[in-house]
Amino acid sequence: SQTIHQWPATLVQPVGSPLSLECTVEGTSNPNLYWYRQAAGRGLQLLFYSVGIGQISSEVPQNLSASRPQDRQFILSSKKLLLSDSSFYLCAWSEGRTNYGYTFGSGTRLTVV
Amino acid sequence: GDSVTQMEGPVTLSEEAFLTINCTYTATGYPSLFWYVQYPGEGLQLLLKATKADDKGSNKGFEATYRKETTSFHLEKGSVQVSDSAVYFCALPPQGGSEKLVFGKGTKLTVNP
Repeated sequence: SQTIHQWPATLVQPVGSPLSLECTVEGTSNPNLYWYRQAAGRGLQLLFYSVGIGQISSEVPQNLSASRPQDRQFILSSKKLLLSDSSFYLCAWSEGRTNYGYTFGSGTRLTVV
Repeated sequence: GDSVTQMEGPVTLSEEAFLTINCTYTATGYPSLFWYVQYPGEGLQLLLKATKADDKGSNKGFEATYRKETTSFHLEKGSVQVSDSAVYFCALPPQGGSEKLVFGKGTKLTVNP
């Protein structure tokens, strides 16, 4: 069966420090991968998605970047965090453009201080 | 373009009350429809889905019927519990040339004992 792992679960980082959040998927190949952000009490904002290794689409220009160094690995990064980057970050995967929907990771609560 | 409109929250109910969360969609053709649930501090989980018109998705006492005539997929539960307190998202799978799930803005449900 397929599983998705996202870590860390919580993270407190100082302003100006770098960020690396990792997401991996097991039990499938060539998944579509997604990074979402969810501010407190708000809906979901799609940040990046990837349909293959090295292929990244950015939805919102900002202080973040994404990379997909391996088929089932998706990384969200920042060189210098801002206070406004504090949020709940969610990774998800899907079997391409299908009717099966997404499977989400458990999320990372990032607090920038 | 494709969109999902969900009733605005928050919704507060007493235990054992009846729940309805409205969802309507705009899409080409007859896509699958999803309801996701997000419990506090967690990622999203697929709650139920329907893949064609007149289908009824059900899970954990929740139901939603795919109504193509009214382009709706309302979520219902006959008797809510405190443990149902969560945010509920209605969603469409990727349409046309898109790779992205289309989410509603989410409805926060609080059930009081």
